[in-house]
Amino acid sequence: NAGVMQNPRHLVRRRGQEARLRCSPMKGHSHVYWYRQLPEEGLKFMVYLQKENIIDESGMPKERFSAEFPKEGPSILRIQQVVRGDSAAYFCASSPATGLQETQYFGPGTRLLVL
Amino acid sequence: RKEVEQDPGPFNVPEGATVAFNCTYSNSASQSFFWYRQDCRKEPKLLMSVYSSGNEDGRFTAQLNRASQYISLLIRDSKLSDSATYLCVVMHYMGKLQFGAGTQVVVTP
Repeated sequence: NAGVMQNPRHLVRRRGQEARLRCSPMKGHSHVYWYRQLPEEGLKFMVYLQKENIIDESGMPKERFSAEFPKEGPSILRIQQVVRGDSAAYFCASSPATGLQETQYFGPGTRLLVL
Repeated sequence: RKEVEQDPGPFNVPEGATVAFNCTYSNSASQSFFWYRQDCRKEPKLLMSVYSSGNEDGRFTAQLNRASQYISLLIRDSKLSDSATYLCVVMHYMGKLQFGAGTQVVVTP
C-alpha cells in the first residue's frame, strides 16, 4: 500500500510564475490536508479538502492560493504569481476519515524555491 | 502568543540517558494530542498519541495535563537514532492539526 505521494519533490520558480503541487492520498483515504513549513518554523495548516469539496480553508492566504481535490486524480495546491516569501516546504497529509483520533499520514513534501 | 509552544532546544543527551520536555497549548477546547518526529525537515511521522491517563510506548512516555494545558514526552535509554525534532501537535475540530515549532534532541555517543 503506497503512502501519500507528492510531486514534484522540488520545484524552482521565478517570481511571477505559477506553482502547481500535487498530492495523491493513501489508497482508501478521502480526506486531504495541506500544510506549509517556512524555514525555521513549524508546520502551519492551510486547507482541508474532501473529494470535490473544500471543508476548511482558514489557513490559506486570501490571494494567489487555491486548492482542489477533484473526483478523479490528485489534490492540487496552486500558487499563482509566486513571490520569494512562498519559498517553503509544502506537505500534504491524508486520513481515511475525520475524527479526533484519526492519524494523518504525511507525504514527503514539495520544496518550493522562488528565485 | 503561539497556540502551541515548545522549547526549541537543542537538548544534548548522552546515549542511554533520559530526556524529557514539554509543550503548552492555549486552546482549552483542544481535544486530541500527538507527538510527531521530524528528521532533517522531512515529512513528520507520528510517534504516539497522548491520552489523558498518560501512555507509554516502549521507551517513550507521554503525559497530558489538561488543567495546566501542557503535554510532555519522556525518552528513556536514548539511542542515537532518537536524534530528531519532536513536534507537539494539537488537533482541533475537523482534524485540523496545530503544530509546535519543535524541540530538537541530539543524542551523543
